Amino acid sequence: AQKVTQAQTEISVVEKEDVTLDCVYETRDTTYYLFWYKQPPSGELVFLIRRNSFDEQNEISGRYSWNFQKSTSSFNFTITASQVVDSAVYFCALSEGETSGSRLTFGEGTQLTVNP
Amino acid sequence: KAGVTQTPRYLIKTRGQQVTLSCSPISGHRSVSWYQQTPGQGLQFLFEYFSETQRNKGNFPGRFSGRQFSNSRSEMNVSTLELGDSALYLCASSPRQGRTYEQYFGPGTRLTVT
Repeated sequence: AQKVTQAQTEISVVEKEDVTLDCVYETRDTTYYLFWYKQPPSGELVFLIRRNSFDEQNEISGRYSWNFQKSTSSFNFTITASQVVDSAVYFCALSEGETSGSRLTFGEGTQLTVNP
Repeated sequence: KAGVTQTPRYLIKTRGQQVTLSCSPISGHRSVSWYQQTPGQGLQFLFEYFSETQRNKGNFPGRFSGRQFSNSRSEMNVSTLELGDSALYLCASSPRQGRTYEQYFGPGTRLTVT
């Protein structure tokens, strides 16, 4: 069965620190997709990135970067030089299986607090 | 483009009542999925609709149902409400069905059952 684990429940950092959010997944599929979403206090989930299982290239987008390692089934997310506006709950999610459609399996989420 | 809209944003109901939540997807999006978010269970998939047909269903009792209209708008209904149904219900839309498409989420409907 598919599963996503975000072992860090809460992380607190001081502004300008770098922070890495961990995500470990389990799947029996060879083709799958991994996602990161951000949920600010307003509640809306904001899409950050999608990565398919055949693309292990790391990606950088501004202060955000993602490290995908199939060998360890991990898809970690790093925020460089964190800012107060980065404070939110971050979710890692997995989509697998041709028949599962758009269904996402989410991890438990990591509450990130960036203090000024 | 306008984002995903959900109405109402907040709702208070009593045990035993039923409730209907509405979701309007992004213009041109034809797939709509629903998720329930609670502190204890996290984010859980309820169901997905595409072309007015339910394509996938999560592990929820039959009290939870939904439908999609020809304009892709979707509603979900919960009958015989229980205290445990108190949650944030999130709707997401994508252009088509399938995992290759990003899903865009609405702000959610916060349901409180008393």
